[in-house]
Amino acid sequence: EAQVTQNPRYLITVTGKKLTVTCSQNMNHEYMSWYRQDPGLGLRQIYYSMNVEVTDKGDVPEGYKVSRKEKRNFPLILESPSPNQTSLYFCASKGQNNQPQHFGDGTRLSIL
Amino acid sequence: ILNVEQSPQSLHVQEGDSTNFTCSFPSSNFYALHWYRWETAKSPEALFVMTLNGDEKKKGRISATLNTKEGYSYLYIKGSQPEDSATYLCAPISNFGNEKLTFGTGTRLTIIP
Repeated sequence: EAQVTQNPRYLITVTGKKLTVTCSQNMNHEYMSWYRQDPGLGLRQIYYSMNVEVTDKGDVPEGYKVSRKEKRNFPLILESPSPNQTSLYFCASKGQNNQPQHFGDGTRLSIL
Repeated sequence: ILNVEQSPQSLHVQEGDSTNFTCSFPSSNFYALHWYRWETAKSPEALFVMTLNGDEKKKGRISATLNTKEGYSYLYIKGSQPEDSATYLCAPISNFGNEKLTFGTGTRLTIIP
């Protein structure tokens, strides 16, 4: 089954404790992306990657890092999480050109 | 950041009625527009990919039109059903040679039984 898998689905942690949210897709998609969703603000793009070793900033990249060492994986790294990064995060992937995105089920992060 | 506006922000519609809402985007450098349907506690799912001016796409009772010259797309739902309750997102893609995507804040549709 074609899918985008995020882990963990839920995480409560404390300020400053490094965390990684993993994202994996099994559709051989070149493009992968991370979004955060906050009330009243919709989905905002954090980082995206157009292929292995190619990443670029979205609209809200501050406080996040990503890597794309393999085509299927695109982890989101919070080196020193802060409470303003409490949010619902979605990973997505898509094929070339005009293909729509496939979204993961979301990760709800709470930073205390 | 691409300026994308969706209106209205929320909408309550009686079951059986038809409805429509709008996505506005910059008409310059247009490449494509995606519509997504996002149910509560789920992830967004693609509805339509639209590329050409005058495009009209249809999936069951839901259809969408595209005007790239004036920078808007309409989503129509005919004979609304409770299962249509969701947030509908649009995401225009500009022709800048990259894939930085900007979503509108969505129209939250609630169907009243």
